[in-house]
Amino acid sequence: DVKVTQSSRYLVKRTGEKVFLECVQDMDHENMFWYRQDPGLGLRLIYFSYDVKMKEKGDIPEGYSVSREKKERFSLILESASTNQTSMYLCASSLYGQGKREQYFGPGTRLTVT
Amino acid sequence: GNSVTQMEGPVTLSEEAFLTINCTYTATGYPSLFWYVQYPGEGLQLLLKATKADDKGSNKGFEATYRKETTSFHLEKGSVQVSDSAVYFCALSVSNFGNEKLTFGTGTRLTIIP
Repeated sequence: DVKVTQSSRYLVKRTGEKVFLECVQDMDHENMFWYRQDPGLGLRLIYFSYDVKMKEKGDIPEGYSVSREKKERFSLILESASTNQTSMYLCASSLYGQGKREQYFGPGTRLTVT
Repeated sequence: GNSVTQMEGPVTLSEEAFLTINCTYTATGYPSLFWYVQYPGEGLQLLLKATKADDKGSNKGFEATYRKETTSFHLEKGSVQVSDSAVYFCALSVSNFGNEKLTFGTGTRLTIIP
């Protein structure tokens, strides 16, 4: 059974803290994605990676960075957390290749920045 | 650019009612179309998909037909159940040399009352 796991379901951090969100997939997928989900805005792509050490900016990369040192792991980093980064964060993965378009999602991390 | 517009919610129906959630899209290129569902407290999971015009995707009693002439992919179910209560997302993907990014609509929250 395919599986994407995220390190925390709920997280509370203070403004200015450095925050790490971890995502691991066990499907040997090349592509991995980080989204944030906000009411009325749907899912917005922050960053994605199509290979180890490769990354590309999505639609809203400001205030975030990512790291992919191993194929199965994709980390989202908030260098200095701010209250406007309070959100639900979803990780996803997919196979690389034409037509391999289905993405598999983790359960999400609800981050609150106070 | 690519975009997805879906019916705003929330939608509340009685059990056994007929469901339609509208979805229209704009895309550069020839997209694949998806419906994802998010049950309370969970990540997104693929409900159904269609990869070319006139294809019908179906799963768990839900159906959607890829209509190129009207750029639509409306979700339907003949008789909803309480267990269908969830948030539904319409999405599209346009092939980009194997990096298959999804563009999501804003989501429609569906509540089914007994």
